[in-house]
Amino acid sequence: SQQGEEDPQALSIQEGENATMNCSYKTSINNLQWYRQNSGRGLVHLILIRSNEREKHSGRLRVTLDTSKKSSSLLITASRAADTASYFCATDPLIQGAQKLVFGQGTRLTINP
Amino acid sequence: SAVISQKPSRDICQRGTSLTIQCQVDSQVTMMFWYRQQPGQSLTLIATANQGSEATYESGFVIDKFPISRPNLTFSTLTVSNMSPEDSSIYLCSARYSGYSYNEQFFGPGTRLTVL
Repeated sequence: SQQGEEDPQALSIQEGENATMNCSYKTSINNLQWYRQNSGRGLVHLILIRSNEREKHSGRLRVTLDTSKKSSSLLITASRAADTASYFCATDPLIQGAQKLVFGQGTRLTINP
Repeated sequence: SAVISQKPSRDICQRGTSLTIQCQVDSQVTMMFWYRQQPGQSLTLIATANQGSEATYESGFVIDKFPISRPNLTFSTLTVSNMSPEDSSIYLCSARYSGYSYNEQFFGPGTRLTVL
């Protein structure tokens, strides 16, 4: 079953603008991971943020985590056409022995030139 | 990070036949998984591939339909048996290391299956 809900489901912005995607989840987690998927291809791992972390950066990516609200956000700054893809959050639930990621529905991001 | 390859990358198959997908990881990982992604949908976990023992299947997935092997720490196969058009999906192999410092989970490029 899907734990995460992502919002918006689709986002279209102009090149150079910032894109923000949100993810909410239901149960306590070990960590939350963000992935990018270009059309019909495999998932590229972007960032992992642990439950005791509040913010992480990687290049133009910034991820925040609010465990009290059970939510995370992914910010892509200075977007480029190559950022056009679907973005998924995946939670690693805090269930002993589980170690199984549960994926959100994804946000389809389109960067217009 | 782990580098994961899958074969075939895509295939078109006839109803009633079976297809075996191979997954190779470049290093010894603790856990390997198989996911399905139906058109326009998110990922759904099929099973956890256990080395040297039977896979652990998620609700809605059974061994007769999706037999899985994992003979060693770096290799696994998923077979989609007695296929129907509803099995048309992208099948993704995934792997992760266990332990606090290595919780990232990585994915292969996927196998795009079309069943006619």
